[in-house]
Amino acid sequence: EVQLLESGGGLVQPGGSLRLSCAASGFTFSSYAMSWVRQAPGKGLEWVSDISGSGGSTYYADSVKGRFTISRDNSKNTLYLQMNSLRAEDTAVYYCAKKNSYYYDSTAYPDYWGQGTLVTVSS
Amino acid sequence: QSVLTQPPSASGTPGQRVTISCSGSSSNIGSNYVYWYQQLPGTAPKLLIYKNNQRPSGVPDRFSGSKSGTSASLAISGLRSEDEADYYCASWDDSLSGPVFGGGTKLTVL
Repeated sequence: EVQLLESGGGLVQPGGSLRLSCAASGFTFSSYAMSWVRQAPGKGLEWVSDISGSGGSTYYADSVKGRFTISRDNSKNTLYLQMNSLRAEDTAVYYCAKKNSYYYDSTAYPDYWGQGTLVTVSS
Repeated sequence: QSVLTQPPSASGTPGQRVTISCSGSSSNIGSNYVYWYQQLPGTAPKLLIYKNNQRPSGVPDRFSGSKSGTSASLAISGLRSEDEADYYCASWDDSLSGPVFGGGTKLTVL
């Protein structure tokens, strides 16, 4: 059974940093691309970032480019999201999701999601 | 403002058939697959439909997806109270070179 467990969320001041983790199990982690998708309170889903199965290729939404860094440790079956220069508009539940493919391309899609971790950016 | 446009709400009575629309453009729905996710209250999204009209194992055949041109639809037949949830469409956008989502539709079972 695929399981994804996010952690690391919390309250942080504007301009601060936070690192999210996502522990994966139930599948061969290194064989699949992974995503971070966020959902602001009462709002819809917004794609944040993707990483290929090897970790060698990364992709970001324009709203987080230059501030967030996605990475993975395939030896630990763990996905990360380093978030710097946080803004109030980054407040959201952050979900990690497994994609159905090793690669980042137009036919890859999230097929399993974690329960999410809440990030609140406020002074 | 979401790239894909969905109605904010939909409703139906038990047993009824309901459809939820998702409108896009030639750079997303018009040239790529459409996916649908169900988000029950307080839970993570769950894949409902992939590649326009394919159901993952375990998803009841009451749920069906279709696509025509730059629009897509999710149909739910034999509506049940447990179908009350938010539904999101998604696709790839060639101009943005990334995934895009609709704003979500809140389905109420009356």
